[in-house]
Amino acid sequence: QVQLVQSGAEVKKPGASVKVSCMASGYTFTGYYMHWVRQAPGQGLEWMGRINPNSGDSNYVQKFQGRVTMTRDTSISTAYMELSRLRSDDTAIYYCVVDTGMDVWGQGTTVTVSS
Amino acid sequence: QSALTQPASVSGSPGQSITISCTGTRSDVGKYNYVSWYQQHPGKAPKVMIYDVSKRPSGVSNRFSGSKSGNTASLTISGLQAEDEADYYCSSYTNSSTLKMFGGGTKLTVL
Repeated sequence: QVQLVQSGAEVKKPGASVKVSCMASGYTFTGYYMHWVRQAPGQGLEWMGRINPNSGDSNYVQKFQGRVTMTRDTSISTAYMELSRLRSDDTAIYYCVVDTGMDVWGQGTTVTVSS
Repeated sequence: QSALTQPASVSGSPGQSITISCTGTRSDVGKYNYVSWYQQHPGKAPKVMIYDVSKRPSGVSNRFSGSKSGNTASLTISGLQAEDEADYYCSSYTNSSTLKMFGGGTKLTVL
């Protein structure tokens, strides 16, 4: 079955960067877009962007342009989302989501930004 | 771009039916048959309940159904059960640079 396993929780200081990984299994990794979604505490879901694991091309929401980078390593079926110049309002749970026709979500990675 | 519009909360008694609406525009919900609905229990990752407007994943109860009319999609839950109490989000693809967007979420309370 399709499964996404994300890296563990992170605590970062303002201005730092964080890189979250998402290891995929159960399907052809290069065949489907990988999306990244975040959820701030007590808030709704926010789509951040997506990467085409086959080509490496990515699309980002404008508010994250210049701060987010989505990459992948096809040899280990893993996608990455790196967010730089972290602020306190980046504190959230970050999810990877693969759309194989219907979405499958990772378990989420909590990123806490605090001085 | 603004999120899709959902009611903040809905409620119903066990056994009743409820409907949650998700209103977008002709650039998103009205344009694409790629509306999904997610259920999220506290502390858990969202789970897809409906995709492509009305398709139900294997393992999801047939008490959950989806539909769309114009720029508004709807999720109906029939025969409400206590376990249905959760937050529900809709999503749609959009022809803007955002590509995909979510509704603000609806808290379902089973009375």
